[in-house]
Amino acid sequence: KAGVTQTPRYLIKTRGQQVTLSCSPISGHRSVSWYQQTPGQGLQFLFEYFSETQRNKGNFPGRFSGRQFSNSRSEMNVSTLELGDSALYLCASSLSRNGYTFGSGTRLTVV
Amino acid sequence: SQQGEEDPQALSIQEGENATMNCSYKTSINNLQWYRQNSGRGLVHLILIRSNEREKHSGRLRVTLDTSKKSSSLLITASRAADTASYFCATDEIQGAQKLVFGQGTRLTINP
Repeated sequence: KAGVTQTPRYLIKTRGQQVTLSCSPISGHRSVSWYQQTPGQGLQFLFEYFSETQRNKGNFPGRFSGRQFSNSRSEMNVSTLELGDSALYLCASSLSRNGYTFGSGTRLTVV
Repeated sequence: SQQGEEDPQALSIQEGENATMNCSYKTSINNLQWYRQNSGRGLVHLILIRSNEREKHSGRLRVTLDTSKKSSSLLITASRAADTASYFCATDEIQGAQKLVFGQGTRLTINP
């Protein structure tokens, strides 16, 4: 079966712009979570969606938001980009707490 | 966010040798998972060990869990060049939201 698909793979944006990243989970997986990976802070949890509802949110500013559609696909949006938002953004889908499948990530560079 | 610690931060060994990585965490957990990441790409799930388990094997991987010390170790036996990657432990916390709390990772290099 198809894995978790994240688009785009790479993105370059200018400070102040906004960006939208997309994640298509494994078919049948209703939970989608997002993580940010940077050299300084490591892997940090952003938020988790289940059946179109945000269930959990990490410690990130309100510029980071997301949503989930009825087909479980999820998007995350970052507004007013800052240089520090440059990171690898990873999406994971799961059926339960006992197994997560990650996508290949979107590499965002803010210049 | 609370993150565990992994040691060593970097490990370089010869092909064929065994590699051991350690992970410590801070809270009570439902399970602990190990992931591999190649060159800044996605995370690949390796193995999950539940809080009531002490040891688990999968192929060349052996994971141990000591909940009294809040620590885990990952042993890769008979290492291969293809094992070169970063390895992360991640915990699913009891009483917590459905999310993973990651350690800082160990960068493993296998020299041919």
